[in-house]
Amino acid sequence: DIVMTQSPDSLAVSLGERATINCKSSQSVLYNSNNKNYLAWYQQKPGQPPKLLIYWASTRQSGVPDRFSGSGSGTDFTLTISTLQAEDVAVYYCQQYYSTPYTFGQGTKLEIK
Amino acid sequence: QVQLQESGPGLVKPSETLSLTCTVSGGSISPYCWSWIRQPPGKGLEWIGYVYHSGSTDYNPSLKRRVTISVDTSRNQFSLKVTSVTAADTAVYYCANSRDVYNPFDYWGQGALVTVSS
Repeated sequence: DIVMTQSPDSLAVSLGERATINCKSSQSVLYNSNNKNYLAWYQQKPGQPPKLLIYWASTRQSGVPDRFSGSGSGTDFTLTISTLQAEDVAVYYCQQYYSTPYTFGQGTKLEIK
Repeated sequence: QVQLQESGPGLVKPSETLSLTCTVSGGSISPYCWSWIRQPPGKGLEWIGYVYHSGSTDYNPSLKRRVTISVDTSRNQFSLKVTSVTAADTAVYYCANSRDVYNPFDYWGQGALVTVSS
């Protein structure tokens, strides 16, 4: 299984500031034949299902604000929220879909400082 | 837009079988891939397995021995069965959709809490 490890486990950022969450996979999730990273980011608010934010490591899902961006390749990835809004308080998960079993990171809880 | 809704008993006794159904509306079961994912209270996400619209399946090895996922295209539904449940199977169970195998989960149901207790 590919193990996904996120850092930090929790993060407190002031409104309007930048938030950065890291995700590391135990093996590369870059498929060389199409040069795509099989990595997604989800946002989960209390009592709600996860919501897809980013896929192929850096493609924003339709309707997701452009303050959310994804970067990285191979085994190291980052989710950045450029200017934190109050509604961004949530738990964020990375997920690899390179191979089954699909696996998720343990989650990063983002709060307002 | 595709909508998914889980249904089934919220309480299951230990050693019995957990059964859930996901009803898909706003779109067809074909030609997509349909997964079950669970989340124990206060914990992270675990992929259980998927069924393709053709009926082919893939399961997480950690649960494979006890899990069956099936699809009913005529009813636009797919189902999950987990046998011999224990308290460790207590979780919110989500159904989710992918455009294909090796794709992210685009749409999720609201989730169904299943508690295993006598």
